[in-house]
Amino acid sequence: KAGVTQTPRYLIKTRGQQVTLSCSPISGHRSVSWYQQTPGQGLQFLFEYFSETQRNKGNFPGRFSGRQFSNSRSEMNVSTLELGDSALYLCASSSGVSGSSYNEQFFGPGTRLTVL
Amino acid sequence: AQKITQTQPGMFVQEKEAVTLDCTYDTSDPSYGLFWYKQPSSGEMIFLIYQGSYDQQNATEGRYSLNFQKARKSANLVISASQLGDSAMYFCAMREGGAGQFYFGTGTSLTVIP
Repeated sequence: KAGVTQTPRYLIKTRGQQVTLSCSPISGHRSVSWYQQTPGQGLQFLFEYFSETQRNKGNFPGRFSGRQFSNSRSEMNVSTLELGDSALYLCASSSGVSGSSYNEQFFGPGTRLTVL
Repeated sequence: AQKITQTQPGMFVQEKEAVTLDCTYDTSDPSYGLFWYKQPSSGEMIFLIYQGSYDQQNATEGRYSLNFQKARKSANLVISASQLGDSAMYFCAMREGGAGQFYFGTGTSLTVIP
């Protein structure tokens, strides 16, 4: 079974630009979560999509948005990039089944975004 | 209040020794899951072990075991017989119910000394 894939793996942008990151979950998984990881802030939850609907949302500004397609693939968009957006962006997929606390997340390799 | 607290920013352990990484959590939901992840320098998060709030026994996975003390709200990870490849960041995480978001701690950097 293929794991979680993220594209691109590395990205360099300049301030003010926008960026779109892509995540393909494990086959059969309906939940995709996005995280931002920086040395100073650690791992911070951005949002989770389940069956094309945003189910949970972290405390990030509206510049950060996402969506999920019918095949469960998800994209994350950051508009008007700032220097502080430089980070490793991790995507994780899980079955997303409600009612069970066992919803292990499988992580992708991440996209390392550098904003100059 | 923090949902997950890891109070050890860095830990050192001698090769072949056991080490305990601390994790405390905060929730009022009776149904929750606790997870430990390992993140090597390559960046990828690797799932290690899971403990459900209703599980009666402590979870074990090979050299990893989870010391689950529900009343104290702690879920410490024990790594036995440490190996050099265990050097990495370790994150404790919790998910409330089945549809809540995952909460991660700030991580513990473990260094195994030969």
